[in-house]
Amino acid sequence: GNSVTQMEGPVTLSEEAFLTINCTYTATGYPSLFWYVQYPGEGLQLLLKATKADDKGSNKGFEATYRKETTSFHLEKGSVQVSDSAVYFCALSEAGNNDMRFGAGTRLTVKP
Amino acid sequence: DGGITQSPKYLFRKEGQNVTLSCEQNLNHDAMYWYRQDPGQGLRLIYYSQIVNDFQKGDIAEGYSVSREKKESFPLTVTSAQKNPTAFYLCASTKVGRSVGTGELFFGEGSRLTVL
Repeated sequence: GNSVTQMEGPVTLSEEAFLTINCTYTATGYPSLFWYVQYPGEGLQLLLKATKADDKGSNKGFEATYRKETTSFHLEKGSVQVSDSAVYFCALSEAGNNDMRFGAGTRLTVKP
Repeated sequence: DGGITQSPKYLFRKEGQNVTLSCEQNLNHDAMYWYRQDPGQGLRLIYYSQIVNDFQKGDIAEGYSVSREKKESFPLTVTSAQKNPTAFYLCASTKVGRSVGTGELFFGEGSRLTVL
């Protein structure tokens, strides 16, 4: 079945550091890929998405590229801020399935 | 503003009691979902519904029940049969259609259930 594996946390960085959170997936077809962010005590919010191979999703300085050859969708940001501290989830969904599979989440803490 | 409303935000239950978590959306979305979130385990699907009066079990449906009598509402009942109900519960919704079948999920703010 479909699944998502993302790097375990927690990740602690200093402000302005470079961020990478790895995500790989297993899917039978051609899924859409997503990164969601969860701030403390809240639900999840969509951060970015990509619907086909080689697409790049971007939002708020975060980027991720859909790599079919490596089945990956790594999240990157060039310079993190304290306000980026949150839990990040990688997810996938396939057409006709109407279900979304989530990774375990990676907690990011950014220190001033 | 359109969105998903979950209530209550916090709920305490004694062992052996059933509790119902409310989820209402005014986004005119067809599909609604319930996920359970435990630390370090990500989100696991409990139940989902694509249309009114129809719903399917997810990966961890045992000990839970749902109904979908209205498009806007998808309440979740945590029954006494659920062995470890303490968790954070998230409701979500999305449009269903050929072109947006893989559309993004919109989430509520969650309900934290604690069994005493």
